[in-house]
Amino acid sequence: AQSVTQLDSQVPVFEEAPVELRCNYSSSVSVYLFWYVQYPNQGLQLLLKYLSGSTLVKGINGFEAEFNKSQTSFHLRKPSVHISDTAEYFCAVSLTQGGSEKLVFGKGTKLTVNP
Amino acid sequence: DAGVIQSPRHEVTEMGQEVTLRCKPISGHDYLFWYRQTMMRGLELLIYFNNNVPIDDSGMPEDRFSAKMPNASFSTLKIQPSEPRDSAVYFCASSFGRGRTDTQYFGPGTRLTVL
Repeated sequence: AQSVTQLDSQVPVFEEAPVELRCNYSSSVSVYLFWYVQYPNQGLQLLLKYLSGSTLVKGINGFEAEFNKSQTSFHLRKPSVHISDTAEYFCAVSLTQGGSEKLVFGKGTKLTVNP
Repeated sequence: DAGVIQSPRHEVTEMGQEVTLRCKPISGHDYLFWYRQTMMRGLELLIYFNNNVPIDDSGMPEDRFSAKMPNASFSTLKIQPSEPRDSAVYFCASSFGRGRTDTQYFGPGTRLTVL
C-alpha cells in the first residue's frame, strides 16, 4: 500500500524563523509528490510539485521542498516565515490504484506563525 | 476565471433529510473530483469524473451517497438520507489533463452539519 505520513500535526514558530514540515511516503514505484496549502475557510491550493528532474523544487510564497528518494521524504521548507503563512499544509502523492489515478493526502500539518 | 465554485458554502440539516451539494468546475477542465475532509480521516477522495464519466467511485462510503455530472460545467453530490456522521467539509476540485501529474484546483468547500 502507498501512503503519506506527515510527522507533525502542529508546528508553532515565531515570525521570521525558519520552518521545516516533514513528509514521508511509502511507495515501491515512481511517485509524483505535491504540497498543498489550505488557508482558514478556504480550499486547498498548490504550493509546489515534484514530477521529475531536480530534486529541489521551488514553489510559491518562498517555499521549497526536496525530494529524497533514499529516505522516501519530501520535506517542505521556508527560511523565514511570515504571519500570513499560518495555514494547514498537506503533502500528497499521486498514484495509480486499481487502474485509476488519484491523489492521496497526508493528515496535514497546522503551521502557526506567532509574532 | 472565477475558479471552482461550490454551493452552498454551509448547510445545516436534520438526520434523514436529503442533501445536495453543487459544483461548477473551471471551464475547460476535464477532470472533476469530490473530496470529504474530517478531523478523524483527513482528506478522502470520494469519486472522480473524466469528461463527465465517473471513473472511480471506490471512495464513496455507501449507497446513501451518489454523484452525477450531467455536463462539463456542473456536478452534484447527493446524500440521501443524511446521518450525523456525514458532517464534514466537502470539496470539489477540477484539473485539466492526465490527472496524475496535473494540479488540482479546489473550491472553497461546503461545510455540512447533520443534526
